[in-house]
Amino acid sequence: AQSVTQLDSHVSVSEGTPVLLRCNYSSSYSPSLFWYVQHPNKGLQLLLKYTSAATLVKGINGFEAEFKKSETSFHLTKPSAHMSDAAEYFCVVTPLMGRRALTFGSGTRLQVQP
Amino acid sequence: GAVVSQHPSWVICKSGTSVKIECRSLDFQATTMFWYRQFPKQSLMLMATSNEGSKATYEQGVEKDKFLINHASLTLSTLTVTSAHPEDSSFYICSAKVRGNTEAFFGQGTRLTVV
Repeated sequence: AQSVTQLDSHVSVSEGTPVLLRCNYSSSYSPSLFWYVQHPNKGLQLLLKYTSAATLVKGINGFEAEFKKSETSFHLTKPSAHMSDAAEYFCVVTPLMGRRALTFGSGTRLQVQP
Repeated sequence: GAVVSQHPSWVICKSGTSVKIECRSLDFQATTMFWYRQFPKQSLMLMATSNEGSKATYEQGVEKDKFLINHASLTLSTLTVTSAHPEDSSFYICSAKVRGNTEAFFGQGTRLTVV
């Protein structure tokens, strides 16, 4: 079994300040973890992924995330928010092996204030 | 990166009619495709998993006679919403996986409105 908990349903930051979106997971299998971003009425775009290599993962648009097995966390960060970062963010887990579907967190809506 | 094309991007249909949504992997062969449903301000909920050439596996609570899934080839899966009702109005998203790769590639989504 696997599950994902996104600790904040809504995060609001000012432009130019750091972003932290929190994610905790549980998995019976060795996990792969992902962060996806969704803009209104759009599909999902992959920001970054962890697949058992380096624990600090760098993604697109300046985002990065650190896999911490001891804390079962995979928090998403960005040093400086941009207005275009405003969107819905999903933390996702899937087993490292096999054909299983991805399990999505409930999502975090990021607002960026000017 | 791999591209998944979903069509149509939006559709409005009358109650009682059927709607077909297509999901194509454009530059890779998708051994497994997934269909998700997303209600406003909510996360994606898995509806079914389909492997090429075999019947789809539906999640608990999803009516397989209402949501017909066909995965006839390694590049195409279709979802048909039969006898649509207003409560079927939602955002439907497909995704595709390649054997041996944990990453899933997503279509753009289809906004279905049943009136």
